[in-house]
Formats: sequence, C-alpha cells, structure tokens
Amino acid sequence: DVKVTQSSRYLVKRTGEKVFLECVQDMDHENMFWYRQDPGLGLRLIYFSYDVKMKEKGDIPEGYSVSREKKERFSLILESASTNQTSMYLCASRGQGRDEQYFGPGTRLTVT
Amino acid sequence: GEDVEQSLFLSVREGDSSVINCTYTDSSSTYLYWYKQEPGAGLQLLTYIFSNMDMKQDQRLTVLLNKKDKHLSLRIADTQTGDSAIYFCAERTNYGGSQGNLIFGKGTKLSVKP
Repeated sequence: DVKVTQSSRYLVKRTGEKVFLECVQDMDHENMFWYRQDPGLGLRLIYFSYDVKMKEKGDIPEGYSVSREKKERFSLILESASTNQTSMYLCASRGQGRDEQYFGPGTRLTVT
Repeated sequence: GEDVEQSLFLSVREGDSSVINCTYTDSSSTYLYWYKQEPGAGLQLLTYIFSNMDMKQDQRLTVLLNKKDKHLSLRIADTQTGDSAIYFCAERTNYGGSQGNLIFGKGTKLSVKP
C-alpha cells in the first residue's frame, strides 16, 4: 500500500512565523502535491512537483513556497504565516503515467 | 476552464440508498474518481470508472457514468453511519502546465441518520 505521511496532524503558529510542513511518500512516486482544504471551497492546489528540484505553481501559490530535494519528500513553506493561511493542508503523491493520487492524513494549521 | 460540480450536502437515513451526483466539463477525461474523506482524515480513493464504461459495481458501491451529459453518480446501497463522510468527485485535467493532475469538486458531505 502507498503510504503518505505528514509531519504533524495539528500545528499552531503565530502570525509572522516561518512554517514548514513536511510530506514523505514511500512508493517512489515522481509527482507530489500540496493542497489546502477550506469549508465550501473544496481542495485547492497550491504547488506540485513532477521531479526532484522541480516545482510548478498551482491555483493559489501566493504566500507559499516549496522544496523538493529528495524524491520522497516534498515540503511546503509559509515564509511569514498569516491568519488567512489557517486551513487543513493535504499532501498527495502520484506515480508516473497514473491519474490516481494518494493522500496523507492532513495537517490542520492554525495561525493566531 | 475545467470544472467539477457537486451539491454540498446530502442527508439520508440508515439503511436507505445514497446517491451523490457530480457533473464535469472535460469530455476527454479517461478516468473519473470518487474519493472519501472521513472526519479529520485525508482523502482515500474509493473507486473509479474508465470513460468507456457506463457502470461499475463494487459491493455496496455503484458508479454510473453518462458521458453525453457529463454526469457521474455514486450510489451507496444500505447506507451505514460509517459512511458519513465527505465524498469528492475528480477528473483528470488535460490542459496546460497542470496536465495529468486531478480537478476535484468541492465535496458532498453525507450525513447518515440512525
């Protein structure tokens, strides 16, 4: 079974802090994704990566950056957290030539 | 642009059938997906259907695809309280830099009353 893990289930940070969210997958998948999920808005793609050191902006990249130094790990960085970044963050991975994505359990981030 | 639409809420009684509907815009989608999200958890792939199929059945789940109307539905027979979750419909994008990624609907929250 594909396993996607995220470093924290719950996180509370202060406005202006730098925040790192980590995601690791164990299936040698080329593609990895970061989404945020908000009530009534569904999943919105922040960034994705199709290979090591490669990244592409999704629909809502503003205020976020990402890092993919190793194939199994994809990090989401909030350079200066703001209250409007309070959300559930979901990481996913996908194998090459496949459509289905496999999701981690999510990190619920609260910025106060 | 591409879009996937779902109603946001559905409430049923335990033992009844649930039908969750979805409309999509990209007629070239090869696979369409249903994901389930239980409270406080990530999304799990529930089932999928290939675009040359009209129906797929998997135990209590039946997926119906109407390609002409771009309409997808998920039927859950004998709905149980454990089926209470958010259900997401998804299709593959075929455009631009996001080609090959999935577009998700906003999710339908299914509430099952005992």
